[in-house]
Amino acid sequence: NAGVTQTPKFQVLKTGQSMTLQCAQDMNHEYMSWYRQDPGMGLRLIHYSVGAGITDQGEVPNGYNVSRSTTEDFPLRLLSAAPSQTSVYFCASSQNRATNYGYTFGSGTRLTVV
Amino acid sequence: AQKITQTQPGMFVQEKEAVTLDCTYDTSDQSYGLFWYKQPSSGEMIFLIYQGSYDEQNATEGRYSLNFQKARKSANLVISASQLGDSAMYFCAMRASGSARQLTFGSGTQLTVLP
Repeated sequence: NAGVTQTPKFQVLKTGQSMTLQCAQDMNHEYMSWYRQDPGMGLRLIHYSVGAGITDQGEVPNGYNVSRSTTEDFPLRLLSAAPSQTSVYFCASSQNRATNYGYTFGSGTRLTVV
Repeated sequence: AQKITQTQPGMFVQEKEAVTLDCTYDTSDQSYGLFWYKQPSSGEMIFLIYQGSYDEQNATEGRYSLNFQKARKSANLVISASQLGDSAMYFCAMRASGSARQLTFGSGTQLTVLP
């Protein structure tokens, strides 16, 4: 059981470049989310999905796009990278909407925009 | 809106002693879940313990316990008999219907266990 798999683990981008962070889970979880982690700010929600074909914005969505064409995959797209998007990105999934279910996290992607 | 506050950016504890990491939360929802995660220097997020808003007993998981005081809206993590491997960042988080059932995180507490 792989859980939540994120790729790549590290990435350096130049300002203005685009890229996609990949996230896949093999637990048949309905809910999937993307967070970014910055020093002193905890994890902040970027986008989330409550099922295939359904996505919504979180707290800090600007500059990012998502789609959920399958239950398993939830890629995060950076449209035109900016230095402010230098961060550690986590993908997470949860079985369903119940508040007593926690989230399983991927191992993270460390992104640097120069 | 949901909010989690962790007021201790850094904490030190002597090995084998107990330590309490503070967490207060704000929500208007009646049903919610409170979670603690550990993030070691390697970066992964490790689930530690969960407390439901309707649970009357404080949650315990091995050396971890959650001191839940609903009226004060606090959910402090207690680590007993600290070990060097407990040195890590600790995050308090809440899942409530008012936040689209997503996790809302505090800013974290960096715990250092001293030998």
